[in-house]
Amino acid sequence: DSGVTQTPKHLITATGQRVTLRCSPRSGDLSVYWYQQSLDQGLQFLIQYYNGEERAKGNILERFSAQQFPDLHSELNLSSLELGDSALYFCASSETGLISGSDNSPLHFGNGTRLTVT
Amino acid sequence: GNSVTQMEGPVTLSEEAFLTINCTYTATGYPSLFWYVQYPGEGLQLLLKATKADDKGSNKGFEATYRKETTSFHLEKGSVQVSDSAVYFCALREAAGNKLTFGGGTRVLVKP
Repeated sequence: DSGVTQTPKHLITATGQRVTLRCSPRSGDLSVYWYQQSLDQGLQFLIQYYNGEERAKGNILERFSAQQFPDLHSELNLSSLELGDSALYFCASSETGLISGSDNSPLHFGNGTRLTVT
Repeated sequence: GNSVTQMEGPVTLSEEAFLTINCTYTATGYPSLFWYVQYPGEGLQLLLKATKADDKGSNKGFEATYRKETTSFHLEKGSVQVSDSAVYFCALREAAGNKLTFGGGTRVLVKP
């Protein structure tokens, strides 16, 4: 058990809809990362938050947004869903998020939310 | 930009066989290198890591050596078990960054 909790485990919705994925990081971890895993794109970094603030952005679509709350849990919002958004969405957390040459704290991943858009 | 290339799978082998999964990377500076494993239905777990050239990471019988001269971080295990069946991801984190860049993953299937 990584200590990272993601809900829900599965989500089935229709095109055009909006969903929210939730992540609770490991106790004490300040950084939260969101990744998308699909068959054709592999594992893609979406966005990172550190202690409530956006820290790094990857291949995240404008239709997607995220935030990290004061209790450090995070939500990923996906809107105007398309068939191609069907994927496994992973949240990960780490102790630190500082841009530092000595920052090698590993990421701890949740079990993911499987999103199916029909 | 940074990139990680791993051998495509699936890799199918018998129990007690020797496993090698090749991984090469492109990055500026001196990144940290990682191997993550994803068992069916689960998230990724850190398997091992190496933070500087010639470091060897090891865990659960798996090993990988950070080779700066060949920009490689190949994963090896001398005798695999059925329970090693999973998808293995090589990844790097640049020295001055936070996010991990993953390879495409290699599915390994170990048959009894």
